[in-house]
Amino acid sequence: QVQLVQSGAEVKKPGASVKVSCKASGYTFIDYYVHWVRQAPGQGLEWVGWINPNSGGTKFAQKFQGRVTMTLDMSISTAYMELNRLTSDDTAVYYCARELAARRFFDLWGRGTLVTVSS
Amino acid sequence: QSALTQTASVSGSPGQSITISCYGTSSDVGTYNLVSWFQQHPGKAPKLIIYDVSKRPSGVSNRFSGSKSGNTASLTISGLQAEDEADYYCCSYAGRSTNYVFGTGTKVTVL
Repeated sequence: QVQLVQSGAEVKKPGASVKVSCKASGYTFIDYYVHWVRQAPGQGLEWVGWINPNSGGTKFAQKFQGRVTMTLDMSISTAYMELNRLTSDDTAVYYCARELAARRFFDLWGRGTLVTVSS
Repeated sequence: QSALTQTASVSGSPGQSITISCYGTSSDVGTYNLVSWFQQHPGKAPKLIIYDVSKRPSGVSNRFSGSKSGNTASLTISGLQAEDEADYYCCSYAGRSTNYVFGTGTKVTVL
């Protein structure tokens, strides 16, 4: 079954870091970029960045540069997104989504991981 | 990079057609034929319904159609059904620097 399975909800304190995982199955992992998109409560979608499993290359939205890291574990077809120096504004559902290399659209999404930042 | 602008809400009766507009700029929608649309039901992940401005993924109803004129992309839902009640987001590729920008979202209500 073609799917992206994400890790469970997280609760973090301001200033902490969070690492969310996204495990791919049912397709060739290296053929698709993995993107991360977040959605704050009651708000719209916001693109965070992508990682290319074929090269390990990454690209982040400017507002997250310096605060986000994306990595891979190729042995288990899993991508990770780590966000540092969390504030309450980072409270959101974080989705991973795949893009067939350079096709510029996201055809499969994970169910999302709720990250709550609260003191 | 600012978000693409969408009308906050659109409503229609069953069987009617509605159109959602997505207003971008010459840096995104106007330059690239790489606009996609997503449907999102409450508490669910977004679902791709249109890509490359007007193409439908396999399995998506042909009641959904997309188009573009200048800096504005549009999504039309024809033969509106109760199950179409959801939030809809446009997304455009915006070049190597910005990469991707989403729309502000439109809530579709079926009366």
